[in-house]
Amino acid sequence: DTAVSQTPKYLVTQMGNDKSIKCEQNLGHDTMYWYKQDSKKFLKIMFSYNNKELIINETVPNRFSPKSPDKAHLNLHINSLELGDSAVYFCASSQPLGGISGGLFPDTQYFGPGTRLTVL
Amino acid sequence: DQQVKQNSPSLSVQEGRISILNCDYTNSMFDYFLWYKKYPAEGPTFLISISSIKDKNEDGRFTVFLNKSAKHLSLHIVPSQPGDSAVYFCAASGVRDDKIIFGKGTRLHILP
Repeated sequence: DTAVSQTPKYLVTQMGNDKSIKCEQNLGHDTMYWYKQDSKKFLKIMFSYNNKELIINETVPNRFSPKSPDKAHLNLHINSLELGDSAVYFCASSQPLGGISGGLFPDTQYFGPGTRLTVL
Repeated sequence: DQQVKQNSPSLSVQEGRISILNCDYTNSMFDYFLWYKKYPAEGPTFLISISSIKDKNEDGRFTVFLNKSAKHLSLHIVPSQPGDSAVYFCAASGVRDDKIIFGKGTRLHILP
């Protein structure tokens, strides 16, 4: 009965390859996110989608392209993988501003288990 | 540019004692603060939050204190239990800002 699920859990691939990570949430949330946790352990937001529309796009290389076929899914496609892309990628979901918290602050984000990407 | 800083990468506390995890922030526009807990091979899970209109929020064994003038918050866990061993992330957000900024985390070890 997983709330936020990601596949695959582990991904090992060669430099230059193209890969995708899938994320699905069954919480009925309107907003989904992708975070990257790098080797220094920083958890940094990459993208945020609200109801299939991109609302946050941090300084992320164009090789990273999120795709949201519907509001329950936010997939991350990475082209031409580089060594520096090795990290753990977390998907998350929440209600958008105006949700349970009353609108001023973001609601609690629910995270998936993470996908450990290793680029060789 | 670390807007949310957790300067202690790890902390060891005896079971039954109080665990105090600290967090500092630099952005005075932050008005909402959260603590997340993370076990190995799992995603972070929400623990407790506090908005700037309060200086304390309590939920069972967990209490978060906020000192806005010092731009400092802390998470107190009393009494500490073995299941509290995890990485704790401090996070912050501004009013009407969808984005949450996370610290690097502090690994808490509860010793038997």
